[in-house]
Amino acid sequence: EDQVTQSPEALRLQEGESSSLNCSYTVSGLRGLFWYRQDPGKGPEFLFTLYSAGEEKEKERLKATLTKKESFLHITAPKPEDSATYLCAVQVGKTSGSRLTFGEGTQLTVNP
Amino acid sequence: DAGVIQSPRHEVTEMGQEVTLRCKPISGHDYLFWYRQTMMRGLELLIYFNNNVPIDDSGMPEDRFSAKMPNASFSTLKIQPSEPRDSAVYFCASNHQTGGGNEKLFFGSGTQLSVL
Repeated sequence: EDQVTQSPEALRLQEGESSSLNCSYTVSGLRGLFWYRQDPGKGPEFLFTLYSAGEEKEKERLKATLTKKESFLHITAPKPEDSATYLCAVQVGKTSGSRLTFGEGTQLTVNP
Repeated sequence: DAGVIQSPRHEVTEMGQEVTLRCKPISGHDYLFWYRQTMMRGLELLIYFNNNVPIDDSGMPEDRFSAKMPNASFSTLKIQPSEPRDSAVYFCASNHQTGGGNEKLFFGSGTQLSVL
């Protein structure tokens, strides 16, 4: 059974204090690993897709990396507006029609 | 594009009542997914459709749950009869899949369901 585990469950940072969120996975036939951001009362919003070990993607203060067993979302010099729940998800299978399995998320709070 | 549109945003009902949630996917998307989100279990896939045909409903918790997609621009998720444990946020999402990757999901804003 595909499993996705995120840690920590919650993280509090001071503005400017860099840190990393972890997503470890156990799947067969990984097609892609996705990071989403979810704000309260809203649906998840796409951030990144990573496809192979060693790949990195960046967007503003966020950088996602991927190994064969886990992914990290690095947050550099965060701001209060980065506060949200960050979800990772894995996509498995070799053909179209694959679905995403989500982790339970890391709730990030950045204090000014 | 207006994105994925769900209605209602909030639904409060009594145990035993029928509940119908609605979703309009993004035009041109051929896949539609229904997810449920709770504090205890996170985001769980309930069912998904490809070109209006249900592909995998293994996540539907019980026979009380049913989903339909009568056309490419509309889907419903029905719970009959509803129970308090069905209380959750229900999300609809859609995408277009070519098998070439980057098949990111676009989510609606969700329906907050409370069953009393």
